[in-house]
Amino acid sequence: EAGVTQSPTHLIKTRGQQATLRCSPISGHTSVYWYQQALGLGLQFLLWYDEGEERNRGNFPPRFSGRQFPNYSSELNVNALELEDSALYLCASSSGTSGGAGTDTQYFGPGTRLTVL
Amino acid sequence: QKEVEQDPGPLSVPEGAIVSLNCTYSNSAFQYFMWYRQYSRKGPELLMYTYSSGNKEDGRFTAQVDKSSKYISLFIRDSQPSDSATYLCAVASGGYNKLIFGAGTRLAVHP
Repeated sequence: EAGVTQSPTHLIKTRGQQATLRCSPISGHTSVYWYQQALGLGLQFLLWYDEGEERNRGNFPPRFSGRQFPNYSSELNVNALELEDSALYLCASSSGTSGGAGTDTQYFGPGTRLTVL
Repeated sequence: QKEVEQDPGPLSVPEGAIVSLNCTYSNSAFQYFMWYRQYSRKGPELLMYTYSSGNKEDGRFTAQVDKSSKYISLFIRDSQPSDSATYLCAVASGGYNKLIFGAGTRLAVHP
């Protein structure tokens, strides 16, 4: 069974540009999560999508946005890039069977390393 | 104060040693406790998952949760060089599916 896949592996942008990162969840999973892993800051929760809807959002500015498509894949967009946006962006998926009543096991992809120059 | 505190290490031990990794958390509402392992240039992989207090064992790994002191631990017995990685603790409360991670402890097991 294929795991969570992310593309691209690496992305280099300049300050002020926009970045688009993509994630395909494990087959059968309906929930997708985005995390940022910046040097010195650890893994921080960004966004949670389930059944096409944004369910929860971390403490990030609105220029971080995303969406989930009908096939449950997801896209993270970062507008007006800043130098401190340089990080590893991780996507995770879960089955969503708990319906928000508990915590479904999250399986992570390999990440997209975004470098902002 | 961070919601989850974890010593970033690095921690260096000889092969065969018992490793103890720890985290503390601040919010008593957290009920779900996880340990992830992350190899260099890879995404985190789930090692252990515990609900509420108690111990859970899986092979060489044992996870402990003490909710009274808000303290979680991961023990690795008979450590191997292949255990060299960063270990991340994570906590969550029910209903939000949002994991809150510790900073991660970098472990090196040398032959």
